[in-house]
This record gives sequence, structure tokens and C-alpha cells, in this order.
Amino acid sequence: DAKTTQPPSMDCAEGRAANLPCNHSTISGNEYVYWYRQIHSQGPQYIIHGLKNNETNEMASLIITEDRKSSTLILPHATLRDTAVYYCIVRVGHNAGNMLTFGGGTRLMVKP
Amino acid sequence: GAVVSQHPSRVICKSGTSVKIECRSLDFQATTMFWYRQFPKQSLMLMATSNEGSKATYEQGVEKDKFLINHASLTLSTLTVTSAHPEDSSFYICSARDSDRGHSPLHFGNGTRLTVT
Repeated sequence: DAKTTQPPSMDCAEGRAANLPCNHSTISGNEYVYWYRQIHSQGPQYIIHGLKNNETNEMASLIITEDRKSSTLILPHATLRDTAVYYCIVRVGHNAGNMLTFGGGTRLMVKP
Repeated sequence: GAVVSQHPSRVICKSGTSVKIECRSLDFQATTMFWYRQFPKQSLMLMATSNEGSKATYEQGVEKDKFLINHASLTLSTLTVTSAHPEDSSFYICSARDSDRGHSPLHFGNGTRLTVT
């Protein structure tokens, strides 16, 4: 799986958009970009994933650059409950046997 | 959405005893489940891949005789920490993916915090 690079930490004001970047310059054509988050003392929570098109769901938006070498997770209106470690992971998606390899992630602190 | 249930959420045991952790996929079948371990202030590390009806695959450095994995059905995998020692104290997390759905995401249980005294 391609390696990802994320800033170790970020702050965001409550109610503002949180934009979390991720670099995955060695991503291959069949690898998807997945985002998970882990709130303290809980298991990781799936947020969103995409291949090359931008994606949006009720939790967040995922913007993938045209060359697919980087992406940004956008939480449009961050709340205090969004404080968590956010993991960007790339992996080949079409195989039930593929595990996820976690890097260091970005620790997002949402402040009042 | 897909739900993975993990039990117990917290366990304290004495050194030398064994502890069993269960991981269930509640509304889907999973031919493969994954077991992770997370030490404080660190990221998740994959321990082993649990395969229904066959032997688990362990990552390098993980003792298969110490961490026994059983995946007896398409909805249940168990991890048994045998002869636990204080250094086995950690946060253990399982994950599973719907085998019938293409590139569906992995879903995680809420973890089991093991404390060995």
C-alpha cells in the first residue's frame, strides 16, 4: 500500500471548516483513499473514501487532486466532538482480504 | 451501516491467566477479520489476519502461540491472550469488512482495553 504523509496535529475553531491534508504521491491507479478517525479510547470510525472523484457524505467531503497525489478531508462545520486523530490510508479496495495500515494520523483539536 | 461488536470493552486480569476477546459482525458476513493492537500514544498495529475456516496469518513479531485466533464462523472471530503478562496490557481492536460488497470499507469494533496486573 502507498505511504501517506499527514501533519501530526492541527487546531480548528468550533463552527469553522476543518481541512485535513494528506499526501500520497506514490499512489497507484487501483488504490483508494480512505479516511478514518479515532476518538480517544474508541475504535476507528470510517468517514469516507474515494478513488479519483470528489466525494461527499453526511460526515465530510473528500477532495482528491487530479493527479491523485494528495487529498483533503473537509469537515464543513467542526464541533468539539470532532476532536480526534484522523487517519488517511490508501489501499487496493477490491479485495476483502486487504487490511488497513495506519500511519501516525493528524490529531485535530477543535477549540471553542 | 455495518456494525462490528467487540466484547468485553474492558478487562483486568492477573499475570499468567488467559483472556478471550470476541469480535462479531452484526449485520454482515466476514470471511476475513483483522486484529490490531494499540499502545498509548501510538497508532494501530496489525497483529494478525483471521480467516474463516482456516489458520490465522500473523504479522512479524507476533507470537501465534500467545495470541490464539479462532474464526469459526462468518460472523465471529476470537482472540485469546494466553498466559498474559503486564507487557500485554494494551488496547485490542478488531475489524471486519462485508465479504459480499466490493470495495466496502473496513469497520472496527470499539476495542478492548486489557490491563494485566
